[in-house]
Amino acid sequence: NFMLTQPHSVSESPGKTVTISCTGSSGSIASNYVQWYQQRPGSAPTTVIYEDDQRPSGVPDRFSGSIDSSSNSASLTISGLKTEDEADYYCQSYDSSDRWVFGGGTKLTVL
Amino acid sequence: EVQVVESGGGLVQPGGSLRLCCAASGFTFSKYAMSWVRQAPGKGLEWVSGITNTGGDTYFADSVKGRFTLSRDNFKNTLCLQMNSLRAEDTAIYFCVKGRGSIRDAFDIWGQGTMVTVSS
Repeated sequence: NFMLTQPHSVSESPGKTVTISCTGSSGSIASNYVQWYQQRPGSAPTTVIYEDDQRPSGVPDRFSGSIDSSSNSASLTISGLKTEDEADYYCQSYDSSDRWVFGGGTKLTVL
Repeated sequence: EVQVVESGGGLVQPGGSLRLCCAASGFTFSKYAMSWVRQAPGKGLEWVSGITNTGGDTYFADSVKGRFTLSRDNFKNTLCLQMNSLRAEDTAIYFCVKGRGSIRDAFDIWGQGTMVTVSS
């Protein structure tokens, strides 16, 4: 079964840049789009990146997404970190067996 | 305002059934695929089920296949997940999610979720 692997946690200081990775277990991660969702404590997830690198309206351009085929991974980069960015982040992609797959989530701490 | 609102959660005994529904508003419901995603306490997100815009095709995670069914009413703008033979591991917050288009398109709008607790 296709799986997405994320680091359990990352931390960085306000104003800095952080990158969260999402690695596909098999096949090519570039075969299907990757999405990123932010979930603040006690709240429902919201979309921060869709179709690899697209930002929904209202998401600041401090958030960016990319794909690296050589490492079969996707990345979410957040620049100019703010304390409000502290949240869990999940990557997601569509599997060839007609199911959606989420990564295990990465807890971002801004300290 | 585009929104989806879940209802129907609660406490149910193992082996029991529960029906979750999601009321959609602010968009043309019949044009979009919909899904359910759940989150067990302290755990990550798990996709549960999805349905095409017409309701003609449904998809399920292996963990719920054969126990859950998904349907939609495009006249009432409602999505419903029928959950049978519930197990303790089905305990989770269940989120209704709107797709951006077809079943393979990304999710864009999430509901606030409804809690399902399976316990004796």
